[in-house]
Amino acid sequence: QKEVEQNSGPLSVPEGAIASLNCTYSDRGSQSFFWYRQYSGKSPELIMFIYSNGDKEDGRFTAQLNKASQYVSLLIRDSQPSDSATYLCAVGAGNTPLVFGKGTRLSVIA
Amino acid sequence: DTGVSQDPRHKITKRGQNVTFRCDPISEHNRLYWYRQTLGQGPEFLTYFQNEAQLEKSRLLSDRFSAERPKGSFSTLEIQRTEQGDSAMYLCASSGEDGRAYEQYFGPGTRLTVT
Repeated sequence: QKEVEQNSGPLSVPEGAIASLNCTYSDRGSQSFFWYRQYSGKSPELIMFIYSNGDKEDGRFTAQLNKASQYVSLLIRDSQPSDSATYLCAVGAGNTPLVFGKGTRLSVIA
Repeated sequence: DTGVSQDPRHKITKRGQNVTFRCDPISEHNRLYWYRQTLGQGPEFLTYFQNEAQLEKSRLLSDRFSAERPKGSFSTLEIQRTEQGDSAMYLCASSGEDGRAYEQYFGPGTRLTVT
């Protein structure tokens, strides 16, 4: 059974702070790692993906991958109230269907 | 690139009725995935297609569920004899075959309520 674990939160951070979201996965054969943002009542929106160990930065977002520890994280710098959403970690192997965590609810307090 | 579209966006049906949902993937995307999401959970995989071939079905997909992708374009997901436990958001995603082949992009979803 392939599993992806996330802390359900809520994670509350003040506006302008760094939000740190974490995810662990069980399948060592996983090759592709994704972060989706989901606003209440909406569908998931892809915001970051990472395939190699290390860091990947895109604007205010940084994804970090450590395959040895089976650990993925997402950092959001200069957090804004509009970042308040549920963040879903998803893991795959090539073009296989993704396995999702339950998501972490982030609340950015103005 | 108009994105993934799904129809209808909302469906309310009575228990025992059949429902059908449609998904139009991003053009040129050859892979199409169906997921189901309930409140407080992440999306759960149901089935997926590469072109018109259905490659995998989840154990979640009971005999009441059937999916098709004729001609490798749009896809339909049918649920026969709906049950209250079928109430969920049904999500469709697509991915391509180029250098960004692994990334899946979701449509807006179809919210099903079975009364």
